[in-house]
Amino acid sequence: AQSVTQPDIHITVSEGASLELRCNYSYGATPYLFWYVQSPGQGLQLLLKYFSGDTLVQGIKGFEAEFKRSQSSFNLRKPSVHWSDAAEYFCAVGKTSYDKVIFGPGTSLSVIP
Amino acid sequence: GAGVSQSPSNKVTEKGKDVELRCDPISGHTALYWYRQSLGQGLEFLIYFQGNSAPDKSGLPSDRFSAERTGGSVSTLTIQRTQQEDSAVYLCASSTTGTRFGNEQFFGPGTRLTVL
Repeated sequence: AQSVTQPDIHITVSEGASLELRCNYSYGATPYLFWYVQSPGQGLQLLLKYFSGDTLVQGIKGFEAEFKRSQSSFNLRKPSVHWSDAAEYFCAVGKTSYDKVIFGPGTSLSVIP
Repeated sequence: GAGVSQSPSNKVTEKGKDVELRCDPISGHTALYWYRQSLGQGLEFLIYFQGNSAPDKSGLPSDRFSAERTGGSVSTLTIQRTQQEDSAVYLCASSTTGTRFGNEQFFGPGTRLTVL
């Protein structure tokens, strides 16, 4: 069965520091991979997705993620975090044969001045 | 409308009552999804529709939960005989032709359900 793990429940970084949020998935074939962000009081918004092709994908708000098949990972990165990036981040995996997306448990990001 | 809308935004009910939650997807989106997000938890898949049919109901927690979609548009999630553990935010999302094609889901603001 598909599953998504996000090993870090909560991360705190200083404003201006770099960020990496981890995501691992289990799936037998090449999945579709997504990162969503949920800001306080806001709905979920897509940051970026991996569909096929270049394994380094760029998203909105300066985020990027790299798909590594050998490690079954899709980690999210940002070179310099802003205070407004404080939010909940969800990794999700979909199947090429089915319209269902499984979400990870989320990583809560706090940003300190 | 421009985005996915859900109503009501908040619902407080007494244990044992039935509730209906409504989702209006983005016009033209054939795929519609329901999720539940409990306090501090991730998104729990409930059900998804492709058009008016529901190929996957595997996430519905019990037979007290049901959902329908009519006209390939509006969907209603019904919870009968609500229990306190049903308290959560219920999220709806829609997608153009489905995530199997790598299409993103657009989420509504959610309905916060509180069962007293």
